Amino acid sequence: NAGVTQTPKFQVLKTGQSMTLQCAQDMNHNSMYWYRQDPGMGLRLIYYSASEGTTDKGEVPNGYNVSRLNKREFSLRLESAAPSQTSVYFCASSGRTGPTYGYTFGSGTRLTVV
Amino acid sequence: TQLLEQSPQFLSIQEGENLTVYCNSSSVFSSLQWYRQEPGEGPVLLVTVVTGGEVKKLKRLTFQFGDARKDSSLHITAAQPGDTGLYLCAGAMQANFGNEKLTFGTGTRLTIIP
Repeated sequence: NAGVTQTPKFQVLKTGQSMTLQCAQDMNHNSMYWYRQDPGMGLRLIYYSASEGTTDKGEVPNGYNVSRLNKREFSLRLESAAPSQTSVYFCASSGRTGPTYGYTFGSGTRLTVV
Repeated sequence: TQLLEQSPQFLSIQEGENLTVYCNSSSVFSSLQWYRQEPGEGPVLLVTVVTGGEVKKLKRLTFQFGDARKDSSLHITAAQPGDTGLYLCAGAMQANFGNEKLTFGTGTRLTIIP
């Protein structure tokens, strides 16, 4: 009963380094999302993919890129990490094109950029 | 500007007491969801309310959606230590391509003291 799996769980990067956060879901959901969570700011949407082959910007997309590799996988890439990108990143999926049916979240990636 | 305001931000009460947390907005939502998040984990969906005035019960938790679909409340009766966590509300609004997008509140951090 994996649900949404994120890797890695923890990562420390130096400023300017790049990395890709991986996310996979096994629930045959159409829609997938990337959020970041910062103290006092709540969860903010970075990018989402309503279905395989489509992606769209969320509230805070600058400095990030995404790839919807197939229906299961949705990756988030930081091309040149900055300290402001230190955060906890969550991937989520939902079974319909809207969230009325609820999101399933992964357990997060805690990223520190030094 | 935070679209969804949650109050209180922090709440610490004794086991057995009742409590209510609030989620308010000036925007109208098509649905509203409540999640609970524990340390080191992603949010877990508790309930979705869709109709203005709707009340849903989940054991000792009662959720209400405001008549105008702009606000919601979560009432916990006889709180237990297992209720400790971060409670997040999230409102759904129409996004691109006919999809809905969730906007999260900043959360209420609840601690139940045994």
